[in-house]
Amino acid sequence: GAGVSQSPSNKVTEKGKDVELRCDPISGHTALYWYRQRLGQGLEFLIYFQGNSAPDKSGLPSDRFSAERTGESVSTLTIQRTQQEDSAVYLCASSLAGQGSYTQYFGPGTRLTVL
Amino acid sequence: AQKVTQAQTEISVVEKEDVTLDCVYETRDTTYYLFWYKQPPSGELVFLIRRNSFDEQNEISGRYSWNFQKSTSSFNFTITASQVVDSAVYFCALSGITGGGNKLTFGTGTQLKVEL
Repeated sequence: GAGVSQSPSNKVTEKGKDVELRCDPISGHTALYWYRQRLGQGLEFLIYFQGNSAPDKSGLPSDRFSAERTGESVSTLTIQRTQQEDSAVYLCASSLAGQGSYTQYFGPGTRLTVL
Repeated sequence: AQKVTQAQTEISVVEKEDVTLDCVYETRDTTYYLFWYKQPPSGELVFLIRRNSFDEQNEISGRYSWNFQKSTSSFNFTITASQVVDSAVYFCALSGITGGGNKLTFGTGTQLKVEL
């Protein structure tokens, strides 16, 4: 079946602009996660959605970052007034459910470059 | 707090050599899950294995094997008879109640280069 898809694959923007990144999870997966990977680093957790529960936003680095998810489908991660330190690969993952026992499957990521 | 340490930043081997990637973790949870992911140059993370904290049996899948030892908080990954296609960054990750029950805590990754 189809895996996690993300768009765009690459995004170049100017400092101060807003950007929106999109994630389509695997069909039937109730849990969705966003992570950030800076160059040469591991992945940092940003936000987690599980069904209709309130999202876990504990990893968002600042109030310039926000995310939405409609039901159990598409999610968008929005970064307002982008800064150069926001340059990174943003990875989305989904899992059948939100417990730690479920494997997270990752999309190909969106490479964001802020000039 | 949860923590995953992959002390090996980069490893270079010649094809057909065996190589072990180390992973040491810290958690206060009694129930937790450990994962390995592969990130080839294309960038997409590929799931390799998941183990729960109650299952210390080692696992073998083809040329891949994993050694889970709770006594040393380690979950090491061995590739036997390495191939050029194994060249990638490998991440070890942990999830547990302390970390929110779902979010993964990743190590910084080990870059494996397999040369002819």
